[in-house]
Amino acid sequence: GENVEQHPSTLSVQEGDSAVIKCTYSDSASNYFPWYKQELGKGPQLIIDIRSNVGEKKDQRIAVTLNKTAKHFSLHITETQPEDSAVYFCAAWSNYQLIWGAGTKLIIKP
Amino acid sequence: EAEVAQSPRYKITEKSQAVAFWCDPISGHATLYWYRQILGQGPELLVQFQDESVVDDSQLPKDRFSAERLKGVDSTLKIQPAELGDSAMYLCASSGRDRVYEQYFGPGTRLTVT
Repeated sequence: GENVEQHPSTLSVQEGDSAVIKCTYSDSASNYFPWYKQELGKGPQLIIDIRSNVGEKKDQRIAVTLNKTAKHFSLHITETQPEDSAVYFCAAWSNYQLIWGAGTKLIIKP
Repeated sequence: EAEVAQSPRYKITEKSQAVAFWCDPISGHATLYWYRQILGQGPELLVQFQDESVVDDSQLPKDRFSAERLKGVDSTLKIQPAELGDSAMYLCASSGRDRVYEQYFGPGTRLTVT
């Protein structure tokens, strides 16, 4: 079955710098890749997603890139702000369900 | 903006007691999911409904967990009896018919079993 690996588990960046989180997947049939942001004590919030027929998608300060050949996708956050501090999860749609990465705790240092 | 509603937000119960969680999905969303999330991990799917029918409950511990969505709208997840290992965040999500993969989550119910 599908397996999604996410790195790093913790990422600490200076406010204003960029952050990149990477995920790899194993099922070549996966065709939808969302990213969720989860703040402490809250449910995951869908922040951006990408379909397999697209290589890159941007929404203001966040972007996602997909390399189908290498089976990996990444989340890019530019000009990080304190409110970006959270746990970020990647996922892949496989066999009619989302398979989740283990999460990355993003820490924004002032 | 439409949201998934869940209640209660927090629940403390003693082991061997029964506990129930309620979820109201985004209006018009046909698919409803219940997930369990242990602190520091990603969500784990427990059960998926399409309208009132169970689509996937392969990961639901059926000896103690049950879920229903009788009218295809809101849903209830029950645990009886609760065990210490059930302490976790229980999340509900929903998605529309044409974009089943695009899931929106509620705020969750934090369960503590003592």
